Amino acid sequence: DTAVSQTPKYLVTQMGNDKSIKCEQNLGHDTMYWYKQDSKKFLKIMFSYNNKELIINETVPNRFSPKSPDKAHLNLHINSLELGDSAVYFCASSPGEGSSPLHFGNGTRLTVT
Amino acid sequence: QKEVEQDPGPLSVPEGAIVSLNCTYSNSAFQYFMWYRQYSRKGPELLMYTYSSGNKEDGRFTAQVDKSSKYISLFIRDSQPSDSATYLCAMRTGGTSYGKLTFGQGTILTVHP
Repeated sequence: DTAVSQTPKYLVTQMGNDKSIKCEQNLGHDTMYWYKQDSKKFLKIMFSYNNKELIINETVPNRFSPKSPDKAHLNLHINSLELGDSAVYFCASSPGEGSSPLHFGNGTRLTVT
Repeated sequence: QKEVEQDPGPLSVPEGAIVSLNCTYSNSAFQYFMWYRQYSRKGPELLMYTYSSGNKEDGRFTAQVDKSSKYISLFIRDSQPSDSATYLCAMRTGGTSYGKLTFGQGTILTVHP
């Protein structure tokens, strides 16, 4: 029944590794997002996809590559992980680009050691 | 100066108290204003969603927007221990901003019995 689901919930890995986070929404929404929440709880947008097309790319290092195989899925692949990548990554979705609010998943807590 | 400023607290109140949470912002293009509640280890959950200036009430929650002062508030009446969470204000511009929300830092609220 979970509307926006992310896997894994926790990810602990070493510097230099490559990892992926998966996101799926069953709300029938057209737009999906990745947000990053740092240790001070600031949430900041990373990417936005509308109907599988990249719409927003917010000055994110190109080590981060989102992929949307269909409008219900948005995955995030991270190459050459760095200590500063440690954060909670949230996937979200919304019905469209207009005034609709965002629905968030429960986050993936990434720890890079 | 951050675009959205929110007092991080923490705020501790007794059960039954009226809670006032506030955010100020600098971008006059913001038109949509939201309050999210985030429980520990969970994703943000939408509480209130308002467009432009005015008040909106939903049960024990009232959201106020004063665009002339660039100030928004969330009031919680008859606060309950289950209201203990981090409250995040968020806002966005109009048009095709594709869900690019700008968040405040969040206020940690504890309601003790």
